[in-house]
Amino acid sequence: AQSVTQPDARVTVSEGASLQLRCKYSYFGTPYLFWYVQYPRQGLQLLLKYYPGDPVVQGVNGFEAEFSKSNSSFHLRKASVHWSDWAVYFCAVNSANSGTYQRFGTGTKLQVVP
Amino acid sequence: NAGVIQTPRHKVTGKGQEATLWCEPISGHSAVFWYRQTIVQGLEFLTYFRNQAPIDDSGMPKERFSAQMPNQSHSTLKIQSTQPQDSAVYLCASSLASSAETLYFGSGTRLTVL
Repeated sequence: AQSVTQPDARVTVSEGASLQLRCKYSYFGTPYLFWYVQYPRQGLQLLLKYYPGDPVVQGVNGFEAEFSKSNSSFHLRKASVHWSDWAVYFCAVNSANSGTYQRFGTGTKLQVVP
Repeated sequence: NAGVIQTPRHKVTGKGQEATLWCEPISGHSAVFWYRQTIVQGLEFLTYFRNQAPIDDSGMPKERFSAQMPNQSHSTLKIQSTQPQDSAVYLCASSLASSAETLYFGSGTRLTVL
């Protein structure tokens, strides 16, 4: 069955430092992968998505992610974190089969310190 | 574009009472999803409609939960005989046509069962 694992429940980084949030997926076939962000008291918003093609995907606000089939990973990166990036980040997996639904990881809470 | 609208934002019910949650998807979107979010379980899929027809309700607790989409402009999630373990944030999302695309989430309804 398809699933995603976000091994880090919480990550703390200094403002201006680089960031990597980890996502490992389990899927038989070619997955569609997503990163969403949730700010306090809000719903989730899309940061970026991967459909089969270029393994490096650019998203909003300087975020990017790299798909690796060999590592079953889709890690999120940002070169320089801003205090406004403080939020919870979710990885999700789905397929081209429109009858399935997006499965979400448990989320990683990002804290940004001065 | 007002985005996905969920009402009410907060609902408090007594144990055994009924709760009805409302969702208005983005105009023109034909796919509607319901998820439940808790600290312990994270984001759990509940049910999925496409063109108002139920596609997958595999995540719905069978006995007390039901969902409907009587027209393309709204969906409801009804919980009968609410229990304290039903306390959660219920998120509605819509997408243009299927679950393989970006999900647009509402801000959620926080249900508290006393």
